[in-house]
Amino acid sequence: DARVTQTPRDKVTEMGQEVTMRCQPILGHNTVFWYRQTMMQGLELLAYFRNRAPLDDSGMPKDRFSAEMPDATLATLKIQPSEPRDSAVYFCASGFGGLGNTIYFGEGSWLTVV
Amino acid sequence: QKEVEQNSGPLSVPEGAIASLNCTYSDRGSQSFFWYRQYSGKSPELIMSIYSNGDKEDGRFTAQLNKASQYVSLLIRDSQPSDSATYLCAVLNAGGTSYGKLTFGQGTILTVHP
Repeated sequence: DARVTQTPRDKVTEMGQEVTMRCQPILGHNTVFWYRQTMMQGLELLAYFRNRAPLDDSGMPKDRFSAEMPDATLATLKIQPSEPRDSAVYFCASGFGGLGNTIYFGEGSWLTVV
Repeated sequence: QKEVEQNSGPLSVPEGAIASLNCTYSDRGSQSFFWYRQYSGKSPELIMSIYSNGDKEDGRFTAQLNKASQYVSLLIRDSQPSDSATYLCAVLNAGGTSYGKLTFGQGTILTVHP
C-alpha cells in the first residue's frame, strides 16, 4: 500500500530550537509539496519540487525556513529558529506531475512551539 | 484577492439533502481542478477531479466546472452524516513559472445532521 510517510508525527519544542521534518514520497512520484495548515490560514503552500529541483518556495519565510530534497526518496523541511507562530500541521504530498496531477498527502507532522 | 476562494461555512444540511459547495479561482490559465475531503485531525483525501467544462459524476458526487466564470462546484446527493467534513477546492496552475503549483482554498465545513 503506497503512501507518503512523514516524521515526526508529533513534535513539541521550545522557541528557538531547530525543527526538521522529513517526508518520504511515494516511490516513482516526481513532484513533492510542503503545505502548512492552521485554522486561520487554511492549507498554505510553502514549497514544491519537481525531479528534486525546487520550483517555488515563495510561500515560505526565507529567514527561518528551508526545504530540500537530498535524494528522490527524501524531502526535508527545516525551521531554525522556531517560533510559537510556527505551530501548525505540516503536510507533505507527492504526485506524478502534469495536468492530471493527483497528489497524495502524508498524515502530517503536528508541530507545537512553546 | 486569494487565488482560490471558498465560503468557509459552516454549511449545515439535513440527512438525505443535496449539499452544494462552491469555489472560484483567479488564474484563467488553470486547467485542473480537484475536490478534497478532510476529516478532523486527518489529512486531505481526493474525492473528485475535473478538467473540462461541464459535469462529472462519481456516485453521489458531481463536480461542475465553468472556466468562463472561473467557477467550480461540488454537489453531494443524499448527504449522509459521514459526509460531515471540511471540503477543500484545489486548482492546478499549468503555465509559466507556476507550472504544477497546486493551490487550495480555505475549505468549507459541511455538517450533515440526522
